[in-house]
Amino acid sequence: EPEVTQTPSHQVTQMGQEVILRCVPISNHLYFYWYRQILGQKVEFLVSFYNNEISEKSEIFDDQFSVERPDGSNFTLKIRSTKLEDSAMYFCASSEAGLPSEKLFFGSGTQLSVL
Amino acid sequence: AQSVTQLDSQVPVFEEAPVELRCNYSSSVSVYLFWYVQYPNQGLQLLLKYLSGSTLVESINGFEAEFNKSQTSFHLRKPSVHISDTAEYFCAVRLQNYGGSQGNLIFGKGTKLSVKP
Repeated sequence: EPEVTQTPSHQVTQMGQEVILRCVPISNHLYFYWYRQILGQKVEFLVSFYNNEISEKSEIFDDQFSVERPDGSNFTLKIRSTKLEDSAMYFCASSEAGLPSEKLFFGSGTQLSVL
Repeated sequence: AQSVTQLDSQVPVFEEAPVELRCNYSSSVSVYLFWYVQYPNQGLQLLLKYLSGSTLVESINGFEAEFNKSQTSFHLRKPSVHISDTAEYFCAVRLQNYGGSQGNLIFGKGTKLSVKP
């Protein structure tokens, strides 16, 4: 089965630093997502992206966050100035057509630790 | 707003024993229901989903889940578990007709199933 690839698997950064989390979605998929899971809490939706623009975002996705598809394969999440509470596992996902009934394909996640 | 509750954060069982992972949801409108599984060091994978029709849905590896509208539940069951079923299981819902920020998967906290020999 095709896979969504995320790099790095672990990222440690100092508070206030910028981080970029990278994802390579499945090649024929059109919809891309970021979710995160803070330890012990629920997996939370951050943002969805289609046709080179954000289609939906949650309250968590404030001005410190941005997403980009810089080329035909990568999908990135940037946190401009990290805070301690940004420490979490970040999951990238993609889907073919963005339908509510559709399966999402998830990457294995990037564990972000902000010190 | 929609929410998903998985009451059990950890479920330890012995191999070949039956297991039930509980999931309850809250929504005032129609939703699709999903179970995703995360094996160690892997991403979340769709295990099964309920869209419509028969309330009992099955996966290829022996899990089943039953949609119960009156109890707003979608519990996951397997009659006999294997060591390889050790993973974290996430219940999720998604609005059938959506717009705005409510259109995406809403997850529970997850249940860690640990199967012991």
